[in-house]
Amino acid sequence: DQQVKQNSPSLSVQEGRISILNCDYTNSMFDYFLWYKKYPAEGPTFLISISSIKDKNEDGRFTVFLNKSAKHLSLHIVPSQPGDSAVYFCAAQRASNSGYALNFGKGTSLLVTP
Amino acid sequence: DGGITQSPKYLFRKEGQNVTLSCEQNLNHDAMYWYRQDPGQGLRLIYYSQIVNDFQKGDIAEGYSVSREKKESFPLTVTSAQKNPTAFYLCASSIDIGRIGYTFGSGTRLTVV
Repeated sequence: DQQVKQNSPSLSVQEGRISILNCDYTNSMFDYFLWYKKYPAEGPTFLISISSIKDKNEDGRFTVFLNKSAKHLSLHIVPSQPGDSAVYFCAAQRASNSGYALNFGKGTSLLVTP
Repeated sequence: DGGITQSPKYLFRKEGQNVTLSCEQNLNHDAMYWYRQDPGQGLRLIYYSQIVNDFQKGDIAEGYSVSREKKESFPLTVTSAQKNPTAFYLCASSIDIGRIGYTFGSGTRLTVV
């Protein structure tokens, strides 16, 4: 059962515009959320995270918003650059005996066109 | 430089054979994880280990086995019982079972021929 959902498999955005990647989760026990960026044939790299006690976290061009009541988070990239083209995974973590293993969404492939 | 090393990058296996994927980290991380990536499936957890000599099954452990004899190493064996082993395998580690996100290796592409 997919507990972290990224319903848009792909997104295409023009360079300089805003990219918005969405993520929904079903487990209310999740209390930490992360975004990873992945290029083909490489491991994911950590991008940005947010704790459930916050509703926004910003790091340069990247901002993550969390709406706990809606169980929804989004990643905003402004301005988008061609180098941002990659697959973006949303992940969630919960405090439990499961060792804080991350639950990943299926990913959204972002294409930033010149 | 600290990091996670997965080897080999590409691996071919004949049907019915077991194969072991290597994962080594020099980050002094306690926790290590194995994920599998299939097209359109995201990353699914196979096994994880919080400390040496301890490991737990993830969501799709059937057909896989692991060991954690050393803190630095967490090899994954894909057995002949795994019905669909062709996939991209990712190893990750984290400093502890706390909040910090994972560091991932560069992955191993396993193909059954």
